[in-house]
Amino acid sequence: SQQGEEDPQALSIQEGENATMNCSYKTSINNLQWYRQNSGRGLVHLILIRSNEREKHSGRLRVTLDTSKKSSSLLITASRAADTASYFCATGSSNTGKLIFGQGTTLQVKP
Amino acid sequence: KAGVTQTPRYLIKTRGQQVTLSCSPISGHRSVSWYQQTPGQGLQFLFEYFSETQRNKGNFPGRFSGRQFSNSRSEMNVSTLELGDSALYLCASSPQGTGRTYEQYFGPGTRLTVT
Repeated sequence: SQQGEEDPQALSIQEGENATMNCSYKTSINNLQWYRQNSGRGLVHLILIRSNEREKHSGRLRVTLDTSKKSSSLLITASRAADTASYFCATGSSNTGKLIFGQGTTLQVKP
Repeated sequence: KAGVTQTPRYLIKTRGQQVTLSCSPISGHRSVSWYQQTPGQGLQFLFEYFSETQRNKGNFPGRFSGRQFSNSRSEMNVSTLELGDSALYLCASSPQGTGRTYEQYFGPGTRLTVT
């Protein structure tokens, strides 16, 4: 079963707009990671946020983590057509000993 | 550094056959994890190897097995293939420790089709 559930499942926006994706999880975690996958290819690591962190930035990416609500969000600012991809959250936990992925959000950025 | 490589990239097999997939991690990475990705089940963890030892295993039948060599290269094997084994198989390596703690670097995947 999946640990993370992402919302929305699909998102379509215009270039230049911001895109926000949410991830909820069920058990305690050591960290939460976000990955991007272009159609049928391997995943690319975007950002890792540890359980004792609340917010992290990387370029146009901003990730927040609320461990009390067991949720995280990924914000992509000033989106570009090249951001079109599927985005996955993944939780790492000492309890489970594995990295568990959510079902992903498919983002389409229209030029 | 070269990225994670997986061979072959595409594979077509028939039911009942077996298959071996190969993964070469980024140089210096000792942890290798395998995932199965299907449209219905999404990304599911298969197993993780660290220094030639299986550290964690997902909920897959015994037909799925793997190993890691002393140079950190890893192979996974699926015996008695079923139609439902058709999937993209992804390998990922981590720079330190295990994948649950650090970011993972993924290969391009092997697309397996079982007919």
